[in-house]
Amino acid sequence: GAGVSQSPRYKVAKRGQDVALRCDPISGHVSLFWYQQALGQGPEFLTYFQNEAQLDKSGLPSDRFFAERPEGSVSTLKIQRTQQEDSAVYLCASSSLAGGFVTDTQYFGPGTRLTVL
Amino acid sequence: DAKTTQPNSMESNEEEPVHLPCNHSTISGTDYIHWYRQLPSQGPEYVIHGLTSNVNNRMASLAIAEDRKSSTLILHRATLRDAAVYYCILRAQGGSEKLVFGKGTKLTVNP
Repeated sequence: GAGVSQSPRYKVAKRGQDVALRCDPISGHVSLFWYQQALGQGPEFLTYFQNEAQLDKSGLPSDRFFAERPEGSVSTLKIQRTQQEDSAVYLCASSSLAGGFVTDTQYFGPGTRLTVL
Repeated sequence: DAKTTQPNSMESNEEEPVHLPCNHSTISGTDYIHWYRQLPSQGPEYVIHGLTSNVNNRMASLAIAEDRKSSTLILHRATLRDAAVYYCILRAQGGSEKLVFGKGTKLTVNP
């Protein structure tokens, strides 16, 4: 079946531009996560949705980062006034369960590589 | 979330077994041990998880020490497609939904 998809796969932005990154989770998955992965590092949590509700946004690095999931399926991560330090791979993951079940599996998309010049 | 320690890198030869260690000396009694791996230019993928007993699935085996302060991911016959970064992650019962990744172990498989 279809996995998690993300678009675009690659994005180049000039410093100061706004970008929008899209995530299509596995159909029916309740939970959706965004992670940021800098070069040579493990992914770092940004934010978490349960259906359309954003339950945890503690990892968003600044108020330039905004995420939404208005209908509880597709999600968009928006970065305003991009800076060079925003250059990273942005990963989306979804899982079928809600509420932090410790044995649930997160399914990751291939990521969007953002380069800010 | 409790912390894990893994070697930065390991090497193996194709078709040989690989044992990837993880130390988690501060693990609590209800923490599950999860392993994910990330192939080049892909997102992480789930490998296996366990609590106390050793676990086997089609991808790998997980051996958990009796005191649970360490665990080992075992790939029984490494293939070139197993070259990836392997992450050992603890997840607390009733804890946060997010995964907390360290730097993982980069596994190189030699032909």
